[in-house]
Amino acid sequence: QVQLVESGGGVVQPGRSLRLSCAASGFTFRNHAMHWVRQAPGKGLEWVAVISYDDVHKNYADSVRGRFTISRDTSKDTLYLEMNTLRRDDTAVYYCARDHYYGSVNSGPDYWGQGTLVTVSS
Amino acid sequence: DVVMTQSPLSLPVTLGQPASISCRSSQSLLHSDGNTYLSWFQQRPGQSPRRLIYNVSNRDSGVPDRFSGTGSGTDFTLKISRVEAEDVGLYYCMQGTYWPPWTFGPGTQVEIK
Repeated sequence: QVQLVESGGGVVQPGRSLRLSCAASGFTFRNHAMHWVRQAPGKGLEWVAVISYDDVHKNYADSVRGRFTISRDTSKDTLYLEMNTLRRDDTAVYYCARDHYYGSVNSGPDYWGQGTLVTVSS
Repeated sequence: DVVMTQSPLSLPVTLGQPASISCRSSQSLLHSDGNTYLSWFQQRPGQSPRRLIYNVSNRDSGVPDRFSGTGSGTDFTLKISRVEAEDVGLYYCMQGTYWPPWTFGPGTQVEIK
């Protein structure tokens, strides 16, 4: 079965950096685009970033563009999110999610991990 | 960006009774390939989201058939035919037609009366 396990969350001071990881199993990782989606405490879901199956294309939400970098290591079946210049409003649970490729469209997340909490606080 | 709205934001329901959640998009979600990329997710308390429905009306594997999705264009509905205690949680719609970004509705809290 599809499994996505995030790690790397924690408490970090504003302006500092953090790298999240997501270990994938139960499916052919190299065949799927992958997303990061976050959820601030008590708030809704916000899409953060996506990386294509072949690592060629990356897209970011306006709120993180220029500060966050999504990447993947197919040899390790692992997705990453490098977060720099963190702000208090980046505090959230970060989920990695597999993309559902339907027809020829990246239609969005289907399977989600359990999430990892990032708290930006001094 | 496509803006997704949901109503109601809070839905108290009686066990065994039906429930309905509306989702609207700021523009038609009909893709040029003929599909409409509208999904529904359930988030139980303390859990990660789980997809229930994709492409408006297709139930994911393992999803009870009391959940159904309908709609087209800009108006969509998630229906629960008979609410059970395990259905308590947040429900989100999400569009995957115009991206980036993929955008979610604000969520509807389903609770038992």
